[in-house]
Amino acid sequence: GAGVSQSPSNKVTEKGKDVELRCDPISGHTALYWYRQSLGQGLEFLIYFQGNSAPDKSGLPSDRFSAERTGGSVSTLTIQRTQQEDSAVYLCASSLLRDQGYTFGSGTRLTVV
Amino acid sequence: AQSVTQLDSQVPVFEEAPVELRCNYSSSVSVYLFWYVQYPNQGLQLLLKYLSGSTLVKGINGFEAEFNKSQTSFHLRKPSVHISDTAEYFCAVNAANTDKLIFGTGTRLQVFP
Repeated sequence: GAGVSQSPSNKVTEKGKDVELRCDPISGHTALYWYRQSLGQGLEFLIYFQGNSAPDKSGLPSDRFSAERTGGSVSTLTIQRTQQEDSAVYLCASSLLRDQGYTFGSGTRLTVV
Repeated sequence: AQSVTQLDSQVPVFEEAPVELRCNYSSSVSVYLFWYVQYPNQGLQLLLKYLSGSTLVKGINGFEAEFNKSQTSFHLRKPSVHISDTAEYFCAVNAANTDKLIFGTGTRLQVFP
């Protein structure tokens, strides 16, 4: 596609429920990244995919967080048993080459009530 | 490990005045450096990048940045700002031995008429 697409754009969920966030990268971009942006904070790295593999998942905050990527394209970030501290904007980005920087999606704003 | 420091969380400035947003980084290996801008309720957009060569790089919207290796800095400048430049600005570093961008906490630029 022309850009990185994320869905939903907004998600309100009850504490304890599971949520799935979707990212559709730019076609042909082999690298895909998930970041979390909390109010007043910078961007916190969560996980990086190269193709369908995740060589770096060091930023996932707990075992409630998981992500997968299929077909070298779409990625899903899953948060199980959501907590209020999970409320944030989740940003996805894709890239073809390291020196080109990333193209970001508009993010999913997650609110846990 | 690399890190990025943006000392100024907020920078207020009047329209048509010059502005400098500061960024310092730490890394034991060579780096690529980036500035991104985030307008309200949007994802991040690449402003400019330094890979190698000339230390003064020019980006979109009249912004430029200078890489200073001895001071480990990559400050962003614009000689005359516009109301539409009001946004959050993020500095980021990609070290040679990693595949991910590390972001600073951001600087909120507020341009007043």
